[in-house]
Amino acid sequence: IAGITQAPTSQILAAGRRMTLRCTQDMRHNAMYWYRQDLGLGLRLIHYSNTAGTTGKGEVPDGYSVSRANTDDFPLTLASAVPSQTSVYFCASSASGGEGYEQYFGPGTRLTVT
Amino acid sequence: AQSVAQPEDQVNVAEGNPLTVKCTYSVSGNPYLFWYVQYPNRGLQFLLKYITGDNLVKGSYGFEAEFNKSQTSFHLKKPSALVSDSALYFCAVRDMLPTGANNLFFGTGTRLTVIP
Repeated sequence: IAGITQAPTSQILAAGRRMTLRCTQDMRHNAMYWYRQDLGLGLRLIHYSNTAGTTGKGEVPDGYSVSRANTDDFPLTLASAVPSQTSVYFCASSASGGEGYEQYFGPGTRLTVT
Repeated sequence: AQSVAQPEDQVNVAEGNPLTVKCTYSVSGNPYLFWYVQYPNRGLQFLLKYITGDNLVKGSYGFEAEFNKSQTSFHLKKPSALVSDSALYFCAVRDMLPTGANNLFFGTGTRLTVIP
């Protein structure tokens, strides 16, 4: 079934450690996104990528980095985790142009930084 | 910047009754509006969108939404609620990032509980 996969499903991480959240899509969508979901705040955009080889900052980019080496993969890295990065992280993708405005979401990664 | 507001954190409705989940928007230009549903421990699922055309948009699982330009609203509706509709619902508006990428600005969500 086509869609987006994320790994790991959940993780407990010590503060100061480095962590990469993985995201892979098989829909050949050009655009990909990383959001964090926090209670009472909805979803907030961390970083995005219009197409392979390009990335951009969203609403809350500090402490996070991304890369987009190919169309399918869009990993999110926390260089040195802090407790405020405890959240649920969702990867999403969308087709570019035309009617492709809706985004499709992965199942999420629940991250706890202690 | 574009934004949406969901004025109700929680909506309770009896099974079989009609349901409404409210959303208002603030945009410059034409609004592109979306509804998503999130079930426990799952990602968001796309329900429907309004881009242009008829003000009543039909989507998945029997949901529909009414676009009202004068009231800047895009309320989600269903004629007869099911217990399985209990979930978290998000309204979103298309936002254009400086690079030209399409982004979605999400509301804070409304938790719908359908009571048997």
